[in-house]
Amino acid sequence: GQNIDQPTEMTATEGAIVQINCTYQTSGFNGLFWYQQHAGEAPTFLSYNVLDGLEEKGRFSSFLSRSKGYSYLLLKELQMKDSASYLCAVKDSNYQLIWGAGTKLIIKP
Amino acid sequence: GAVVSQHPSWVICKSGTSVKIECRSLDFQATTMFWYRQFPKQSLMLMATSNEGSKATYEQGVEKDKFLINHASLTLSTLTVTSAHPEDSSFYICSAGTGTSGGQETQYFGPGTRLLVL
Repeated sequence: GQNIDQPTEMTATEGAIVQINCTYQTSGFNGLFWYQQHAGEAPTFLSYNVLDGLEEKGRFSSFLSRSKGYSYLLLKELQMKDSASYLCAVKDSNYQLIWGAGTKLIIKP
Repeated sequence: GAVVSQHPSWVICKSGTSVKIECRSLDFQATTMFWYRQFPKQSLMLMATSNEGSKATYEQGVEKDKFLINHASLTLSTLTVTSAHPEDSSFYICSAGTGTSGGQETQYFGPGTRLLVL
């Protein structure tokens, strides 16, 4: 079967750095997405990785290792507004998007 | 760019009525639109994928006669929940795909529609 694993919940301190991991087992791979979803709102697109390596976009960076079936989202200089769920999603060989259950990130002052 | 709107944002209706939700891509043409449902504290569940001008593809377990999807243009898709019941109360979110065809698009989400069926 197809599976996306990410931690259910993480806690971090304002101003710190946090890394949210995502491992996947899918039938084929056509890219990995990270989305942010605040409580009661729809997801917003953060990043897309299809090649190995690190993609940096401001305070957020996303890393991919296709051989390991592994990605992480790195958030620097955490702000209270970063408290949200972070969703990892992978496109399989049929270009179907397989969603992880999301990681709830709690930021403490 | 890549703005997706949904209307209405909130719906409260009586059991047995039908509710139509509109999803529009405002600044791009979306060949593919997706409809999701999300229950409280649960992950996104894909309901169906719709391509402009063709019938929607429904996920397993989603009743196509209950959740009618129309994708009449490259900027508009509608989801109609027919004969809604309290168990249909949920957060319905659409997304629209950008980029090249063949499923390589990035999905951008609308703000969602909260449906409460009394």
